[in-house]
Amino acid sequence: AQSVAQPEDQVNVAEGNPLTVKCTYSVSGNPYLFWYVQYPNRGLQFLLKYITGDNLVKGSYGFEAEFNKSQTSFHLKKPSALVSDSALYFCAVRGEKLIWGAGTKLIIKP
Amino acid sequence: GAVVSQHPSRVICKSGTSVKIECRSLDFQATTMFWYRQFPKQSLMLMATSNEGSKATYEQGVEKDKFLINHASLTLSTLTVTSAHPEDSSFYICSAADSGTSGVYEGEQYFGPGTRLTVT
Repeated sequence: AQSVAQPEDQVNVAEGNPLTVKCTYSVSGNPYLFWYVQYPNRGLQFLLKYITGDNLVKGSYGFEAEFNKSQTSFHLKKPSALVSDSALYFCAVRGEKLIWGAGTKLIIKP
Repeated sequence: GAVVSQHPSRVICKSGTSVKIECRSLDFQATTMFWYRQFPKQSLMLMATSNEGSKATYEQGVEKDKFLINHASLTLSTLTVTSAHPEDSSFYICSAADSGTSGVYEGEQYFGPGTRLTVT
């Protein structure tokens, strides 16, 4: 069965430090993987996706994610966090249909 | 990028009444739209998949007679919560599938800003 796990409900990072938001998945076949962000009082926005090709995917707002097939992970990263990155982040995987992780609240402290 | 609007953004209704939420793709045609419900503790629950001109596909546990979905055009889908009860109070979000230049839907969706429904 397909599944997506975001093991952390919340991640706290100091501004300027690197951030990682974790995501692991389980799907048969080749996964299509996505990250979305939901800012307060705004709709979800697409950040990036992995379909095929280079394992390191670059997306919007300076975010990137690394596809690791052996670890079945697709962690979201950013080298230097901004306070404005504070939001809710969702990982999703598409097998037969799009399955969503529970979300991780990212808090960047000044 | 593509824009999806949702109306109303907030609605308060009395128990037993029906509420209609509209979802529009403003600058692209969406053959497929999705309706989600987001619970207070973050999780996003897919309610149904709506295809233009055909009946919606509901996820397990979602009452199709209670949550009526109509996708009458390539730019508009509506969700009607019938005979609403306080337990239907939630944040409802629609999204539209993006088939991109390839015409193949890979999974990328454009989301509306959501509708906060409160049933009193």
